Amino acid sequence: GDSVTQMEGPVTLSEEAFLTINCTYTATGYPSLFWYVQYPGEGLQLLLKATKADDKGSNKGFEATYRKETTSFHLEKGSVQVSDSAVYFCALFQGYSSASKIIFGSGTRLSIRP
Amino acid sequence: DTEVTQTPKHLVMGMTNKKSLKCEQHMGHRAMYWYKQKAKKPPELMFVYSYEKLSINESVPSRFSPECPNSSLLNLHLHALQPEDSALYLCASSQDVVLGQNNSPLHFGNGTRLTVT
Repeated sequence: GDSVTQMEGPVTLSEEAFLTINCTYTATGYPSLFWYVQYPGEGLQLLLKATKADDKGSNKGFEATYRKETTSFHLEKGSVQVSDSAVYFCALFQGYSSASKIIFGSGTRLSIRP
Repeated sequence: DTEVTQTPKHLVMGMTNKKSLKCEQHMGHRAMYWYKQKAKKPPELMFVYSYEKLSINESVPSRFSPECPNSSLLNLHLHALQPEDSALYLCASSQDVVLGQNNSPLHFGNGTRLTVT
């Protein structure tokens, strides 16, 4: 079945460092891909999405490119801030029927040091 | 601020209690979801309602009983829970459960932190 694999955390970086969180997926067909972020004490928020191969999703300085050839959707940011500390979930969705559902990766906890 | 509102934010209940979690959205979304999230884990799907009808039940124990009174409201009735049911319960909505070309993402509430004693 479909699945999402994320890099193990926690990831700890200094402020202004470059961030990469790896995400790969297994799916039949052509899923949509998402990154969600969960700040402490909150629900999940959509960070960015891509719906087809070579699409680049971007938001708040974060970017991810849908790479079909490598089945990847890695999250990147050029300069992280303390406020980016959160848990990041990669997810995929193929919605063809009322039984379809979104599939989440295990989450990667990111901590940014001032 | 989230557009999906969940109440209460925190709930402590005994194993013999009956309580309800409530969720409301006014985005005109036709699909609503209940997820359970344990610490340091991703959300686990429990139920999906599409156009006010239950479309997915992920083999959830009957002590959890969902209800969708109308397209804006979603309830989760709790009865005779166990301590291992303690978790963050998240409600979410989307434009439609079959995303297709819309690719409508999930919009989550901030959850209800449930503790079963």
